[in-house]
Amino acid sequence: KQEVTQIPAALSVPEGENLVLNCSFTDSAIYNLQWFRQDPGKGLTSLLLIQSSQREQTSGRLNASLDKSSGRSTLYIAASQPGDSATYLCAPRGGNKLVFGAGTILRVKS
Amino acid sequence: DTAVSQTPKYLVTQMGNDKSIKCEQNLGHDTMYWYKQDSKKFLKIMFSYNNKELIINETVPNRFSPKSPDKAHLNLHINSLELGDSAVYFCASSQDRSAGGSTDTQYFGPGTRLTVL
Repeated sequence: KQEVTQIPAALSVPEGENLVLNCSFTDSAIYNLQWFRQDPGKGLTSLLLIQSSQREQTSGRLNASLDKSSGRSTLYIAASQPGDSATYLCAPRGGNKLVFGAGTILRVKS
Repeated sequence: DTAVSQTPKYLVTQMGNDKSIKCEQNLGHDTMYWYKQDSKKFLKIMFSYNNKELIINETVPNRFSPKSPDKAHLNLHINSLELGDSAVYFCASSQDRSAGGSTDTQYFGPGTRLTVL
């Protein structure tokens, strides 16, 4: 059974900082891993999908890396902005389903 | 245009009632999902349909029954509601169920907050 852990659980940083969110998973037999953000009271927005054969995926100020064999993924956010404040969720996919971590609550202060 | 929409956004009801939540996607996707997010914010898959065929049915009480009239719609009917059913229910869709492709990205609806009193 896949278990997903995200560290830290919460993070508060001043605007402009570069930061790293960590995700670890117990079953490395995954097809891909997706990072989402969730704003309070809203649905999830897909940020990046990284295939199991890839090491990195980039979109704007976001960069996700994947080390499948060690069961780890990181989401790097460059030059953080107040608009980045949200909960960030990682979800590796094994079989037909995504398994979600509990998320990292990010607050970027202006 | 909203890609994945759900109705209602909020649902408050009494224990023992039967209720439905509707989901529609206009992305032309083949696969749709229902997730439950509990008070601790954990998101867990409940069901998945591909072209109206059930492909995932997690350990969910029989009181929950998904219905897919066509591949653009996946509704969730809940019988005999209990206090523990209170949660936010999210619908999602993806282009196909073949694992590993770039079409695997899941798109989520805004959620339905269900409160059982």
